[in-house]
Amino acid sequence: DTAVSQTPKYLVTQMGNDKSIKCEQNLGHDTMYWYKQDSKKFLKIMFSYNNKELIINETVPNRFSPKSPDKAHLNLHINSLELGDSAVYFCASSQGAGVNEQFFGPGTRLTVL
Amino acid sequence: KNEVEQSPQNLTAQEGEFITINCSYSVGISALHWLQQHPGGGIVSLFMLSSGKKKHGRLIATINIQEKHSSLHITASHPRDSAVYICAVEGVFGNEKLTFGTGTRLTIIP
Repeated sequence: DTAVSQTPKYLVTQMGNDKSIKCEQNLGHDTMYWYKQDSKKFLKIMFSYNNKELIINETVPNRFSPKSPDKAHLNLHINSLELGDSAVYFCASSQGAGVNEQFFGPGTRLTVL
Repeated sequence: KNEVEQSPQNLTAQEGEFITINCSYSVGISALHWLQQHPGGGIVSLFMLSSGKKKHGRLIATINIQEKHSSLHITASHPRDSAVYICAVEGVFGNEKLTFGTGTRLTIIP
């Protein structure tokens, strides 16, 4: 059983397009995250949701809009894609409040042409 | 200067060698995480610790809160240990963002 799943795994698109990446976790966790890994493999938090409420927003451009329809899903919608958005995006989840291990999805490699 | 520094950036060793990867951080934390990123890209959580030492199989993680330093050790290293190892710290209140180190690329030669 896949704990944290993301779709699609690969996404190639033109500049200016709008695209979405979906994330689902079946672990019953309360908190979900989106991370961006750039070309130098450096990971950085983008957003975090706890029970469908936004709790972390790391000065990400407004073109990025996370949406959490329920606590098992956290989708990432990106408007007007730019070349610099090319990266690997990882979704993760963790149990409730406090310090907890995070479980990562397989990543989505986004390439903007 | 990054809040989380790892050393070395790259490490190549022979199979069977004892491996140490270091992580230093400059902020107050509630926990420190060690992650492994496989060559295929997947990320796996290895350890989460806020004090002392933890051991899983051939992997050992230690943390010294006073010195703001953690180490990840691999005993009897094997080529399948080849991966990028990433240190990340979690803020003082818990359930906060992870701040990541730049990673250590480990290659174990048979």
